[in-house]
Amino acid sequence: DAKTTQPNSMESNEEEPVHLPCNHSTISGTDYIHWYRQLPSQGPEYVIHGLTSNVNNRMASLAIAEDRKSSTLILHRATLRDAAVYYCILRDSGRDDKIIFGKGTRLHILP
Amino acid sequence: NAGVMQNPRHLVRRRGQEARLRCSPMKGHSHVYWYRQLPEEGLKFMVYLQKENIIDESGMPKERFSAEFPKEGPSILRIQQVVRGDSAAYFCASSPDTGMANEKLFFGSGTQLSVL
Repeated sequence: DAKTTQPNSMESNEEEPVHLPCNHSTISGTDYIHWYRQLPSQGPEYVIHGLTSNVNNRMASLAIAEDRKSSTLILHRATLRDAAVYYCILRDSGRDDKIIFGKGTRLHILP
Repeated sequence: NAGVMQNPRHLVRRRGQEARLRCSPMKGHSHVYWYRQLPEEGLKFMVYLQKENIIDESGMPKERFSAEFPKEGPSILRIQQVVRGDSAAYFCASSPDTGMANEKLFFGSGTQLSVL
């Protein structure tokens, strides 16, 4: 799997937007960008994924750079429930393959 | 549609005993993945299975660990002769039949194994 780089931790105030960056300079043209998060004492949960275009869903938005070498997960209005470890992962389309988790970004939300 | 079910939620074993962890994937999912998470560490891939087949076991320890996903019934992760270092949270995930990269994985709540 292609490598991603994320900050170890970030802080944000409650009810403010949060931008979580991810660098993936070695991404290939067939790699999807996936984001998962893991809340304390729970299993990971899917957040969002995309290939080239920006994506929106009820949980978050994914902004993908034009050259696809980086992306940003956007939480529009953070709540205390969003405190978690966020993982940015690349998956090669067309391959029947596992997901490899890196260290992710631990997001702290300040009340 | 029930999510991925793992049981037991907590499992306590003494050193040398066997641990069996079960995972029932979501309905219609035939791909199962097992991950291990040691305290304060990240998720480590262990094994990827499809019905009756092991696709990728590159993350499985060479000894004492085995996994299966039979035609009928849940996937089982088996740890023989457990040691204290096996204490961890074990997560199972499933995905739909395509197994393609634009599919998402659905995770269970995990089994917390404690070895005394």
